[in-house]
Amino acid sequence: DTGVSQDPRHKITKRGQNVTFRCDPISEHNRLYWYRQTLGQGPEFLTYFQNEAQLEKSRLLSDRFSAERPKGSFSTLEIQRTEQGDSAMYLCASSSTGLLAGYYEQYFGPGTRLTVT
Amino acid sequence: SQKIEQNSEALNIQEGKTATLTCNYTNYSPAYLQWYRQDPGRGPVFLLLIRENEKEKRKERLKVTFDTTLKQSLFHITASQPADSATYLCALLMDSNYQLIWGAGTKLIIKP
Repeated sequence: DTGVSQDPRHKITKRGQNVTFRCDPISEHNRLYWYRQTLGQGPEFLTYFQNEAQLEKSRLLSDRFSAERPKGSFSTLEIQRTEQGDSAMYLCASSSTGLLAGYYEQYFGPGTRLTVT
Repeated sequence: SQKIEQNSEALNIQEGKTATLTCNYTNYSPAYLQWYRQDPGRGPVFLLLIRENEKEKRKERLKVTFDTTLKQSLFHITASQPADSATYLCALLMDSNYQLIWGAGTKLIIKP
């Protein structure tokens, strides 16, 4: 399967704990995006990378959230001191910056469902 | 304020009919508008993209229109099938930073 993969698919944690999610994008894609989605809402942009550089981070994003893409391949999203309001689906997407068809479409992974108790 | 609005209520359509979904936006000047399909518990799947200088785009049973004067896009599924039942999301792509801004989606139910 050459699509976007995310791990874990589900995570239940207690308030105050740290969690880390992983995303493996489509191998030839150099852009990687993280989104958060709650029930009945569209995805909310968190941050994105072009290769290993983090180019933009949402102003709404708390300092408890950090993301890395150390070698321009997979990415991790860490949430420190989780709060109940962090419960959501965390989606990763990737895209290409080439000049081929599909330049602007994003390919999404299945998401990681986080529940903070 | 900037807003993207999609019908919040579910749309129920009889199988075989054309389903039409609406996406309205205010205070944005998108370079592109995209439509995605999302099934429960899954990530969105890209369907169609339309550029600001295009009026209409088609792909098989799907058709998208884009009116930058009205700030509206319409998404049509012709000869609808129960398998088309899903939530459909519109997203605006801003030319400045290639960031997608999303609507909340419309749930489409095709009844046999």
